[in-house]
Amino acid sequence: AQSVTQLDSHVSVSEGTPVLLRCNYSSSYSPSLFWYVQHPNKGLQLLLKYTSAATLVKGINGFEAEFKKSETSFHLTKPSAHMSDAAEYFCVVSDQGGSYIPTFGRGTSLIVHP
Amino acid sequence: KAGVTQTPRYLIKTRGQQVTLSCSPISGHRSVSWYQQTPGQGLQFLFEYFSETQRNKGNFPGRFSGRQFSNSRSEMNVSTLELGDSALYLCASSLDAFGTHGYTFGSGTRLTVV
Repeated sequence: AQSVTQLDSHVSVSEGTPVLLRCNYSSSYSPSLFWYVQHPNKGLQLLLKYTSAATLVKGINGFEAEFKKSETSFHLTKPSAHMSDAAEYFCVVSDQGGSYIPTFGRGTSLIVHP
Repeated sequence: KAGVTQTPRYLIKTRGQQVTLSCSPISGHRSVSWYQQTPGQGLQFLFEYFSETQRNKGNFPGRFSGRQFSNSRSEMNVSTLELGDSALYLCASSLDAFGTHGYTFGSGTRLTVV
């Protein structure tokens, strides 16, 4: 069984300040973990993925995430927020060895103030 | 290369009717999966097809069905529509059967049932 918890439903930051979106997961197998971003009325875009290689994963648009097995976490960070980063972010876990069906978190809405 | 194409983008149907949504995956992708996104339930997995075979099915009633054609294009059908079926329906494609490299999503079909 697998599950994913996004610890904040909303995160508000000022432009130019760091971004931290938190995600904890549980998995019975070696998990693949993903972060997706969704802008209003759009589909989801893959930001980055962890698939048992390097634990620090770099993605698009300056985002990165660190896989911490001991903490079962996969938090998403960015050093400096841009206005264009305002969107909904989803953390996703997929059991590699189980059903492979991805489980989505409930999402975190990132608000960026000028 | 062309992304995942979903048609139509918007649809308004009456309770009791049926609807068919279409999804064309990225060229070369053989896996297509469908999701329902609502404000209350978030993103929920409907089903996944790989090489014309349904590999996985989510926890939805039998009114929700799908199929995949030999060219990997997929359709999903909802019969006897209910008000609660109003949602954004997202299609995603992936290169392999396990989503190892993540999924590419379409922009979705917004279904409104009145």
